[in-house]
Amino acid sequence: RKEVEQDPGPFNVPEGATVAFNCTYSNSASQSFFWYRQDCRKEPKLLMSVYSSGNEDGRFTAQLNRASQYISLLIRDSKLSDSATYLCVVLSGNTGKLIFGQGTTLQVKP
Amino acid sequence: ETGVTQTPRHLVMGMTNKKSLKCEQHLGHNAMYWYKQSAKKPLELMFVYSLEERVENNSVPSRFSPECPNSSHLFLHLHTLQPEDSALYLCASSQEPGHNTEAFFGQGTRLTVV
Repeated sequence: RKEVEQDPGPFNVPEGATVAFNCTYSNSASQSFFWYRQDCRKEPKLLMSVYSSGNEDGRFTAQLNRASQYISLLIRDSKLSDSATYLCVVLSGNTGKLIFGQGTTLQVKP
Repeated sequence: ETGVTQTPRHLVMGMTNKKSLKCEQHLGHNAMYWYKQSAKKPLELMFVYSLEERVENNSVPSRFSPECPNSSHLFLHLHTLQPEDSALYLCASSQEPGHNTEAFFGQGTRLTVV
């Protein structure tokens, strides 16, 4: 079983749609969780951290369910500029080892 | 302008060549990393350095040899690579390893082994 699993997609949605991505992780001792965004042929960049209580940043909402070991990302009112690959990332242990999921590709269409 | 700079951006090398990838971070971070990103695969952690000391080597073949002369610079020396080593190699840094801190990535070196 992969340490971090994501549906690779692609998710094709119209502008203005709401889209949700899920991610599951296998190590129950994982400490911290993040969503990164990677544009085509670019480096990954932090989108948001994921807190146990859930957190929101504008149109983006991240949630963590430790019992079920999954993380979600909700994007409301999708924009063309949201088209990218969204990487679920889990921090394991004290060595700062970031475990990346394969990424979920989002394509927002006009 | 990114705080993590990688050179070269693109590299084509033969299987008998020796080359080096360079990474420099201007963020005052203490931890630096090498990742490999192959097509349709997750990023794979290769090496972790904390304060110039290697703290992790994820079973990487010896044809990849990292070097961290100081906390701002990280190199990846390459020799006798295989075509399957063709990938995007990403350098990253963070304030400390093992803490809830953001990792900043360089733009990567796209390596093609012919």
